[in-house]
Amino acid sequence: AQSVTQPDIHITVSEGASLELRCNYSYGATPYLFWYVQSPGQGLQLLLKYFSGDTLVQGIKGFEAEFKRSQSSFNLRKPSVHWSDAAEYFCAVGAPEQAGTALIFGKGTTLSVSS
Amino acid sequence: ETGVTQSPTHLIKTRGQQVTLRCSSQSGHNTVSWYQQALGQGPQFIFQYYREEENGRGNFPPRFSGLQFPNYSSELNVNALELDDSALYLCASSLGGLASVNTGELFFGEGSRLTVL
Repeated sequence: AQSVTQPDIHITVSEGASLELRCNYSYGATPYLFWYVQSPGQGLQLLLKYFSGDTLVQGIKGFEAEFKRSQSSFNLRKPSVHWSDAAEYFCAVGAPEQAGTALIFGKGTTLSVSS
Repeated sequence: ETGVTQSPTHLIKTRGQQVTLRCSSQSGHNTVSWYQQALGQGPQFIFQYYREEENGRGNFPPRFSGLQFPNYSSELNVNALELDDSALYLCASSLGGLASVNTGELFFGEGSRLTVL
């Protein structure tokens, strides 16, 4: 069965510092991988996705993520965090061979940004 | 382009009651999925609708039911409410049928926050 683990429940980063949010997945093959962001009182917004090809993917708002098959990881990074990045971040996986199945989300990591 | 809209935004019910949540999908999108997000948790898949048919369901009991209408809007109905049903209910629309559901091309609404007392 697919599963997603986000080991860090809460992370605090200083404004301007770099950020890395961890995501590990369990899946028999290479899944579709995603990062979503949820600001307070808002729905989820897709930051980036990986389907195949280049393992370093670029997303919106200056975010990037790297797929590492050997580590079953898909960590999210940003070189310089802005106060507006404070939000909840969710990693999710989808099953390429099962059209119509749902995304499986991790429990999320709350990012706080200090000045 | 109109995004995904959900109503109501907040509501309070008591145990045993029934609730209907509504979702208008993004213009042109023909697939709707519903997720339940409990406090401090990630969203969990309830079910999805494609062309007015339920196509895929998560681990939720039959008292969670839904509809999709010809204009692709959707409803989520929950009967016999329980305290654990308190959560944010998210609707997501997508274009392209079933494959779009797991390709992550989902556009989420802001959710309906249900409190069951």
